[in-house]
Amino acid sequence: GDSVTQMEGPVTLSEEAFLTINCTYTATGYPSLFWYVQYPGEGLQLLLKATKADDKGSNKGFEATYRKETTSFHLEKGSVQVSDSAVYFCALSPISQGGSEKLVFGKGTKLTVNP
Amino acid sequence: AAGVIQSPRHLIKEKRETATLKCYPIPRHDTVYWYQQGPGQDPQFLISFYEKMQSDKGSIPDRFSAQQFSDYHSELNMSSLELGDSALYFCASSDRTGDTQETQYFGPGTRLLVL
Repeated sequence: GDSVTQMEGPVTLSEEAFLTINCTYTATGYPSLFWYVQYPGEGLQLLLKATKADDKGSNKGFEATYRKETTSFHLEKGSVQVSDSAVYFCALSPISQGGSEKLVFGKGTKLTVNP
Repeated sequence: AAGVIQSPRHLIKEKRETATLKCYPIPRHDTVYWYQQGPGQDPQFLISFYEKMQSDKGSIPDRFSAQQFSDYHSELNMSSLELGDSALYFCASSDRTGDTQETQYFGPGTRLLVL
C-alpha cells in the first residue's frame, strides 16, 4: 500500500542554520504531497503542498519539490528560527476521481531550534 | 478565514463510558475526515464522509461509529472506552468540487483522556 518514509528525528539546529528533512514515498499513480506542521499542544497546520511532478511548494521560507524520479518531497529552509520548533509531518494523498482520499502520514520529525 | 471547529477541546472519561466528538467543517466543504493521533505517533485515518455518506474507512474500532449530518457537521461516537483510546482526535475537511480538492484542512483536535 501507499506509505511515507520520513527522516528520523529529533533534529536540533542552531538559529539561522539550514534545514533539510527528507521524505520519500511509495504510491501508485500520482499522489499529491504535503508537509504539515504541528506546534506543541496544537493541531496540524498545512505548511505547503505540491500536486504534480516538478511542482515546488513554498510557504514561510520553507520549500519542497515533488520529484517523481526519486519519489521524494524533501523539506528545506535556508535559515531556521526558534519559532520553527515543531513536529513536521510529510503526507501523501492518493487522489482518486472523486477528490481527496485519506492522508497517509510519515512518522513525523521533531525539530528543535536553539537561539 | 473560517476554520474547522471541533468540540470539546478536552474530554476526560472513565473506562467503559461513551464519548461524542463533534466536528464543524469549513463552510461549503463537503467532505469530513477523522484521524486519531496517539502520543508521539503520526495521525491514523479512521473514517471519512462525502455528502453525508461514508466514503472510506480505515482502522476504526467497531466500538466507534460516525456520521455526517445534513448541515455537514460530523460526530464521532465512541463507546466502551478503553485506556488505549486516549489520544488526540482530529477532524479535517475538504471541498471535493473546488480548486483545492486535494487539500485537507485540520481542526485543533479533541484531546481524549480515558482513566
